[in-house]
Amino acid sequence: DAGVIQSPRHEVTEMGQEVTLRCKPISGHNSLFWYRQTMMRGLELLIYFNNNVPIDDSGMPEDRFSAKMPNASFSTLKIQPSEPRDSAVYFCASSFGLAGRWELFFGEGSRLTVL
Amino acid sequence: DQQVKQNSPSLSVQEGRISILNCDYTNSMFDYFLWYKKYPAEGPTFLISISSIKDKNEDGRFTVFLNKSAKHLSLHIVPSQPGDSAVYFCAASANTNAGKSTFGDGTTLTVKP
Repeated sequence: DAGVIQSPRHEVTEMGQEVTLRCKPISGHNSLFWYRQTMMRGLELLIYFNNNVPIDDSGMPEDRFSAKMPNASFSTLKIQPSEPRDSAVYFCASSFGLAGRWELFFGEGSRLTVL
Repeated sequence: DQQVKQNSPSLSVQEGRISILNCDYTNSMFDYFLWYKKYPAEGPTFLISISSIKDKNEDGRFTVFLNKSAKHLSLHIVPSQPGDSAVYFCAASANTNAGKSTFGDGTTLTVKP
């Protein structure tokens, strides 16, 4: 059984560059979540989708961040332009139903370093 | 305002003994709680959950206790094993916003052989 698949696992980029993180949720799951983990802020929810529709993006830090889910099997999180403070591990997670009532299945994360 | 707090950043116990990880919350609307375990370079994995209508849920070596009046929950691991060494996250959600789980900062558990 394939779990949540994220790419790239590691990304090193320079300030000002565009970064695109990708996620393939578990087949059959209808909710998808993007989290960011940093030492300062812990694990914070950025945005989540239900049936490909964004439900809550209040955690997105600013307009430089955007997320899309064009179909049930793919989502992207884009940062443009990137800044050093965006350096973090970005996790994608999926669930059958809404989180809080069903457990989240996390990918292995994408570690982003912005120089 | 951190709504879910894990006040102990780390915990060290001897193999075979009990590990108790604590979690406090401030939002009285939270009614569902989950624990996740995370190994280095991996994503968190679900461990156990509890609804606010219960005060205890058990799964093998893992038991979660909920004290609603104190807004406190704890995870007990008995007996602890070296493979349990990981970061443990407490998460909470409210039925009014069931899509949003709020996580604590995590507690790093080290089980010594």
